[in-house]
Amino acid sequence: ELVMTQSPATLSVSPGERATLSCRASQNVYGSLAWYQHKPGQAPRLLIYGASIRATDVPARFSGSGSGTEYTLTISSLQSEDFATYYCQQYDQRPLFGQGTKVEI
Amino acid sequence: EVQLVESGGGLVQPGKSLRLSCAGSGFRFEDYAMDWVRQAPGKGLEWVSGISWNSGNIGYADSVKGRFTISRDNAKNIVYLQMDSLRTEDTAFYYCGRGRDSGYDLVAHWGQGTLVTVSS
Repeated sequence: ELVMTQSPATLSVSPGERATLSCRASQNVYGSLAWYQHKPGQAPRLLIYGASIRATDVPARFSGSGSGTEYTLTISSLQSEDFATYYCQQYDQRPLFGQGTKVEI
Repeated sequence: EVQLVESGGGLVQPGKSLRLSCAGSGFRFEDYAMDWVRQAPGKGLEWVSGISWNSGNIGYADSVKGRFTISRDNAKNIVYLQMDSLRTEDTAFYYCGRGRDSGYDLVAHWGQGTLVTVSS
C-alpha cells in the first residue's frame, strides 16, 4: 500500500527566509507528484505538478524538485501570504495526499 | 474564469444519505475529469473520488468505496457525489475539483467547498 509522508509536520520560519518541505513516497511515483497550498477558509491551490512544473500564475519563488520516492518543495524567500499548510499528492496510482506541512511564523 | 460551486451539504444522521452537486462554468465541462476531495475537522486533505471526462474511468478511496457514488451530467455541467450509509467520520468539508485534463489525477481548480456534518 502506497503511503505519502511529509516532513516536518510544522515548519517555523521568518519572512524572507527559505523554506524546504519534504515529501516521501513509499513506492516510486515516477514524478507524478503535485504540491498544493491551503489556507484556512479558502479553497486549496495547485502550485506544482509533474514534480517541478509551476501551475499557472504561481510565483517563481515556489519550486519543486525530486524523483522516484523523494520530492521537495522550496519557497525561496517567504512572503507573508505564504504562511499556510502545504500538501503533496501523488497521482501515479489512485490519488493520495500526504498529511501536510504547516508553515508558520 | 473557471468556477466550481458545490451545494447539497448539511446536517444528516448516521446511516442516512446525502447528495452533493458541483456546477462547473467558465470551461468546456465535458473535456475534463472531476474529483471530490474532503477535509475533516483538524485533519488534512483526503481524495474521495474521481471521474473521467466520459465517466469511463471512476475511482474511490477505500474509506468510501461501496457507500459513495460519483456521477456526472455533461449536458448540465454538473458532477454529483451520492453519499449513502453515512458515518460520523464522513463529517468534513467536501471540495469539488476540476482535473488537469480528461483523466482524474490531480486537481487544477477547486471550489469553495460544502460542509457535511454527520451526527445524531
